[in-house]
Amino acid sequence: DAKTTQPTSMDCAEGRAANLPCNHSTISGNEYVYWYRQIHSQGPQYIIHGLKNNETNEMASLIITEDRKSSTLILPHATLRDTAVYYCIVIPNAGNMLTFGGGTRLMVKP
Amino acid sequence: KAGVTQTPRYLIKTRGQQVTLSCSPISGHRSVSWYQQTPGQGLQFLFEYFSETQRNKGNFPGRFSGRQFSNSRSEMNVSTLELGDSALYLCASSEDRVYGYTFGSGTRLTVV
Repeated sequence: DAKTTQPTSMDCAEGRAANLPCNHSTISGNEYVYWYRQIHSQGPQYIIHGLKNNETNEMASLIITEDRKSSTLILPHATLRDTAVYYCIVIPNAGNMLTFGGGTRLMVKP
Repeated sequence: KAGVTQTPRYLIKTRGQQVTLSCSPISGHRSVSWYQQTPGQGLQFLFEYFSETQRNKGNFPGRFSGRQFSNSRSEMNVSTLELGDSALYLCASSEDRVYGYTFGSGTRLTVV
């Protein structure tokens, strides 16, 4: 499975958009980009996933570059409840377990 | 729709004992995975079961085992507990990986 690189931590002002980057330069053609987040002491929560097109759901938007070597998760209007560790994971569609890296600790500040 | 249910939520065991943790997946989900989370190692994959068969296994010693029942409920067992087994154990279920995994709240195991 492709490895991912994320910044260790980021801050965002409440109400502003939070843009979380992820590099996955060794991604293969059949591998999807998944995003999960983990709020303190809870299990990880699925946010969104995509293959090559940009995706949007009620929680977030996922922007994948044309060469698929990087992506950005966008929380359009961050709230204090979005403070969490965000994990970017790359896996084959019908494949393996989730391999979690260190993730990005997002702190949303008032 | 009920979420993934893990029991118990908290557990304290003594070194050398064994422990069994339980996971009830979302109705209709046949894939159940287990993860261990510690401050030092982060989230690590233990194993995955699908239709009562272990489909994938992480890099953990044989003291860690699991099984899945015909109703998709799963249990994991850790024998001869060590202090280093203290962790949050998370269970996740999926229809079959494609639509993402849903995690439970975990069982926090403390070994003393």
